[in-house]
Amino acid sequence: DAGVIQSPRHEVTEMGQEVTLRCKPISGHNSLFWYRQTMMRGLELLIYFNNNVPIDDSGMPEDRFSAKMPNASFSTLKIQPSEPRDSAVYFCASSLMGQGDYEQYFGPGTRLTVT
Amino acid sequence: GENVEQHPSTLSVQEGDSAVIKCTYSDSASNYFPWYKQELGKGPQLIIDIRSNVGEKKDQRIAVTLNKTAKHFSLHITETQPEDSAVYFCALREGGADGLTFGKGTHLIIQP
Repeated sequence: DAGVIQSPRHEVTEMGQEVTLRCKPISGHNSLFWYRQTMMRGLELLIYFNNNVPIDDSGMPEDRFSAKMPNASFSTLKIQPSEPRDSAVYFCASSLMGQGDYEQYFGPGTRLTVT
Repeated sequence: GENVEQHPSTLSVQEGDSAVIKCTYSDSASNYFPWYKQELGKGPQLIIDIRSNVGEKKDQRIAVTLNKTAKHFSLHITETQPEDSAVYFCALREGGADGLTFGKGTHLIIQP
């Protein structure tokens, strides 16, 4: 079984450019989470979706960040315009939520560097 | 939001010895406590988890204990092996929320 798939694995961009990160959750999972990992702040939840609907985006840093989930097998996280402080590893995780099931499975991450 | 304190930040043990990592939390409504292992350049991997209605769970060399009264939970690894070297994160699910809150991580080093 394929796990969570993320692309690209590495992204280097210049300040001010638009960045789009992509995620394909595990087939059959109904919840998708975007996390960000930095040395200073550790792993932080940015936003999550249940059945393709955004439930909690309180972790999104600011309006430059947006996320979509147009269908059950695809999600994007967009940063526009990007800034050097956005440099981090961005992880997508998916889960089959319901009846006490809470396990989240992470993808390999996208390492973003903004110069 | 919930604050999860994880200790120690670095732990070095001799191969074959046991390792224990502890996390404390404040929200008594937290009901799910997973542990993740992260190797260099990879995503966090779920290794064991426990729910608030259970005090202990074991899976081969790995065990997790939960003390709801004291609000702490711990990861125990016995008979450590070189491949156990990694960063370990505790996490929890707050009551009423689906996202996880993570501790800052423990860098476990297994000395040969």
